[in-house]
Amino acid sequence: DSGVTQTPKHLITATGQRVTLRCSPRSGDLSVYWYQQSLDQGLQFLIQYYNGEERAKGNILERFSAQQFPDLHSELNLSSLELGDSALYFCASSVASGGPQETQYFGPGTRLLVL
Amino acid sequence: KNQVEQSPQSLIILEGKNCTLQCNYTVSPFSNLRWYKQDTGRGPVSLTIMTFSENTKSNGRYTATLDADTKQSSLHITASQLSDSASYICVVSSNDYKLSFGAGTTVTVRA
Repeated sequence: DSGVTQTPKHLITATGQRVTLRCSPRSGDLSVYWYQQSLDQGLQFLIQYYNGEERAKGNILERFSAQQFPDLHSELNLSSLELGDSALYFCASSVASGGPQETQYFGPGTRLLVL
Repeated sequence: KNQVEQSPQSLIILEGKNCTLQCNYTVSPFSNLRWYKQDTGRGPVSLTIMTFSENTKSNGRYTATLDADTKQSSLHITASQLSDSASYICVVSSNDYKLSFGAGTTVTVRA
């Protein structure tokens, strides 16, 4: 158990809908990262938040948005869902801003299925 | 374009044997290289992190090497166990925090 929690574990929804994924980082960790893993694309970095502020941005679509709250939990919002958004969404956390030697601890993931 | 290529795509080894996975990258400017182990359906777990100045790092039976000149890394698994069956992912970071992921090598350890 990494100490990172994600809810829900599974989510089934329809195209065009909007969903929110939630992540609680390990106690004391200030950074939260979001990743998408699909069968054909592998693991992709979406976005990082550090202490409430956006720190780094990866291949995040405009239909997706995220935020980190004062209590450091984070939410990833996916809107206008398409079939291709079906994937595993992982959250990870690290102790500080993501330096070269910082370990990221991954949560168990949320499996999203868009029908 | 920053790229990370891993080989082989998959391999099968007998329990107790050793194996080596390869990772070649073109990421620049280079910050660090990480190896992760991912069991099916679970989140990746960090095995090693290496910066430019490090050329080898161990974590139990896992030993990673880095040649920053040739932009190559390897992950060596010694005396494999059934629990080593997983996907191993190489991730390279650039100085601007951009991450590039390899497609992973799937290792199957058979008794």
